[in-house]
Amino acid sequence: NAGVMQNPRHLVRRRGQEARLRCSPMKGHSHVYWYRQLPEEGLKFMVYLQKENIIDESGMPKERFSAEFPKEGPSILRIQQVVRGDSAAYFCASSLARGGEQYFGPGTRLTVT
Amino acid sequence: QKEVEQDPGPLSVPEGAIVSLNCTYSNSAFQYFMWYRQYSRKGPELLMYTYSSGNKEDGRFTAQVDKSSKYISLFIRDSQPSDSATYLCAMSAGNTPLVFGKGTRLSVIA
Repeated sequence: NAGVMQNPRHLVRRRGQEARLRCSPMKGHSHVYWYRQLPEEGLKFMVYLQKENIIDESGMPKERFSAEFPKEGPSILRIQQVVRGDSAAYFCASSLARGGEQYFGPGTRLTVT
Repeated sequence: QKEVEQDPGPLSVPEGAIVSLNCTYSNSAFQYFMWYRQYSRKGPELLMYTYSSGNKEDGRFTAQVDKSSKYISLFIRDSQPSDSATYLCAMSAGNTPLVFGKGTRLSVIA
């Protein structure tokens, strides 16, 4: 039973470019969460999605960041016009039900040069 | 006051020791409590999930929740070098986002 998958594992972007991070939840899970982890910081919630719906985006920056979870395919976290401060590890988690146990993927490490 | 406080360590113990990791929280609405283990440059791995006061045991791990004191603990018995990692506590009020502590870095020395 495959776990949560994320790709790419490492992503380098120049300032001003777009970053697109992908997450495939565990089989049977329809709830997806995105978190950001900065060095020496804990995990910070960004957004919670269910298939085709954004349920809670209270942790998402208002500009440049967007997320989707289409009916078919992985969830996508998109960061437009990246800046150096966006450099971080981005983790995706999935759960079977809302409020259920969340299982994390290996993360995507974004470096903005 | 931060919602979740966790001593960042580092904590260094000899192999075989009992390890105690702790978090305090301020939001009395938190009902669900989790402990994750994160190895360097890896994703967090769920160790324990509890939703009531008291103890929950799983192998060498025991999670303890004291809602009256807003205090949770994770005990690791017979610690091994492979337990060396960062341990994150997390909690939620149910249908609300998980709030994480900053993590405690643990080193178990052989």
